[in-house]
Amino acid sequence: DAKTTQPTSMDCAEGRAANLPCNHSTISGNEYVYWYRQIHSQGPQYIIHGLKNNETNEMASLIITEDRKSSTLILPHATLRDTAVYYCIGGSWENSGGSNYKLTFGKGTLLTVNP
Amino acid sequence: GAVVSQHPSRVICKSGTSVKIECRSLDFQATTMFWYRQFPKQSLMLMATSNEGSKATYEQGVEKDKFLINHASLTLSTLTVTSAHPEDSSFYICSASFWASLRTDTQYFGPGTRLTVL
Repeated sequence: DAKTTQPTSMDCAEGRAANLPCNHSTISGNEYVYWYRQIHSQGPQYIIHGLKNNETNEMASLIITEDRKSSTLILPHATLRDTAVYYCIGGSWENSGGSNYKLTFGKGTLLTVNP
Repeated sequence: GAVVSQHPSRVICKSGTSVKIECRSLDFQATTMFWYRQFPKQSLMLMATSNEGSKATYEQGVEKDKFLINHASLTLSTLTVTSAHPEDSSFYICSASFWASLRTDTQYFGPGTRLTVL
């Protein structure tokens, strides 16, 4: 699994863009970068994932550097409800050659959106 | 779409009893379901992976006889914590994924079950 490094915490003003960085310098060519977030005492929520190209959906944008060693999750207009722990994860197939795609969660970034 | 439910959301039991937690994919057929455990202020730790109709694959250090996983259908997986002890108190979260044409299966998570063993 690609090990990822994220800042422990970040703050953002409500209405502004939140840019969450993630380093994944050991990611391999077939490993996707996934972003999930977890609001306190809830299950993680899928946000977005990508391989090489930048991706955008209704929740966020994902910018992946050309060398794939880092990425940035962008929440264009942060709201108070976006306060959560954000996980950047390198997903990979099991080394055993099985058909399961595993996610290994790190500690994530606690994003606090302030009024 | 891709909604996963868990039941119960919260359970309190006495030490030595067994507790069953259900995980259901409500609007899709899950080829694979995963069970995680999360202790306070820690990240999610994968316990086991189960494919429908197959035996679960457990992560290192997770006792398969203590955490029984059944994945009898494409929409239901159960985790039974047998002979629960206070140290099993935790937040148990399941996720479900389905085969996609791309080499990636997005996991969709349930809301979690808070287990407290007295």
